[in-house]
Amino acid sequence: GAVVSQHPSWVICKSGTSVKIECRSLDFQATTMFWYRQFPKQSLMLMATSNEGSKATYEQGVEKDKFLINHASLTLSTLTVTSAHPEDSSFYICSATSTGDNQPQHFGDGTRLSIL
Amino acid sequence: AQSVAQPEDQVNVAEGNPLTVKCTYSVSGNPYLFWYVQYPNRGLQFLLKYITGDNLVKGSYGFEAEFNKSQTSFHLKKPSALVSDSALYFCAVRDVGDYKLSFGAGTTVTVRA
Repeated sequence: GAVVSQHPSWVICKSGTSVKIECRSLDFQATTMFWYRQFPKQSLMLMATSNEGSKATYEQGVEKDKFLINHASLTLSTLTVTSAHPEDSSFYICSATSTGDNQPQHFGDGTRLSIL
Repeated sequence: AQSVAQPEDQVNVAEGNPLTVKCTYSVSGNPYLFWYVQYPNRGLQFLLKYITGDNLVKGSYGFEAEFNKSQTSFHLKKPSALVSDSALYFCAVRDVGDYKLSFGAGTTVTVRA
């Protein structure tokens, strides 16, 4: 149980393109979803937290207009990287958790984004 | 504020030997502690958690961790390591009532045959 599916797993696109990444909880209702960014051989950096039906909460230094997050249902959250540039190239990982203070976050397999 | 320290960037062990990955934490209240493993180009896989109760927690793939409140530690252990355990391991903590996880920097484990 507790499977999180993230799609696509790999994206290569030209500078200026907008890219949408989907994160789905397959067998549980995800009241809260998280989006992380990970640089090579580094830890995860939390970008934003989203709760179903409400606006995402962004961490300090993360541009809201650059990284659009939508959490329209209890099983789906999307991250759109708008007008992507080479510096946005990174590994993006989503996670989801259900209601309950002691529930762990369950992670997707990540999306490798490469902007040319 | 909450934080996690993983003092070792790398741990190298021979297959069949015990494996320990160290983690210390800092929280203002009672901690919820987690261990995750990451394989190359993959997301994080949940291994185990400590919420309350027994200090020794057993998790997936033969891993266990011991919560030590006085030393504020939560070291990950496996009695007999396998080559397939070679991966990047993250310790994470969150305070009771806080939904955000704080991750350690990660420890790369290499198990040689």
